[in-house]
Amino acid sequence: EVQLVESGGGLVQPGGSLRLSCAASGFTFNKYWMNWVRQVPGKGPVWVSRIHSDGSTTSYADSVRGLFTISRDNAKNILYLQMDSLRPEDTAVYYCAREAGGWGNYNFDNWGQGTLVTVSS
Amino acid sequence: QSVLTQPPSASGTPGQRVTISCSGSSSNVGSNSVNWYQQLPGTAPKLLMYNNNLRPSGVPDRFFGSKSGTSASLAISGLQSEDETDYYCGTWDDRLNGWVFGGGTKLTVL
Repeated sequence: EVQLVESGGGLVQPGGSLRLSCAASGFTFNKYWMNWVRQVPGKGPVWVSRIHSDGSTTSYADSVRGLFTISRDNAKNILYLQMDSLRPEDTAVYYCAREAGGWGNYNFDNWGQGTLVTVSS
Repeated sequence: QSVLTQPPSASGTPGQRVTISCSGSSSNVGSNSVNWYQQLPGTAPKLLMYNNNLRPSGVPDRFFGSKSGTSASLAISGLQSEDETDYYCGTWDDRLNGWVFGGGTKLTVL
């Protein structure tokens, strides 16, 4: 069974940093692109970042580029999101999501349970 | 403001058929397949429909997806009380070079 378990969320002051982790199990982690998606309760999900299966390629939403860094440890089956210079508008539930599919058709077939990040003084 | 546009709400009575729309542009819905996610309160989104009209294992065939041009739709027939929750569309955007989602539709079963 595919499992994605996020951790590392919490309350942080504006300008602070947090590192989120997503522990993966039940599948061959190093074969999949992985993503971070955030969601303010009551709003739609917003894609944050993605990373290639071998960690060689990353991309970010404009709103977090230069502030957040995605990485992965394929030996430990863990996905990370380093979040620096946090702003109140970064407050959301953060999900890690596995990107699956093929032939140009992809989707998020598995999501973690989410971890809440609150940026407030 | 979400990139994809969905109606904020939809409703129907048990047994009815309801449709939820998802409108985008040529850089997203118009050129990539659309996925639908169902989100129960307090839980993560769950893949409900992929590649426009394919159902993951375990999703009832009461759910049907379609796409035409820059718009996609999710139809639910034989509406049941358990269908009352939030639905989101999502796809890749070639211009933004990232994933985009709709703002969500809250389905109410009257």
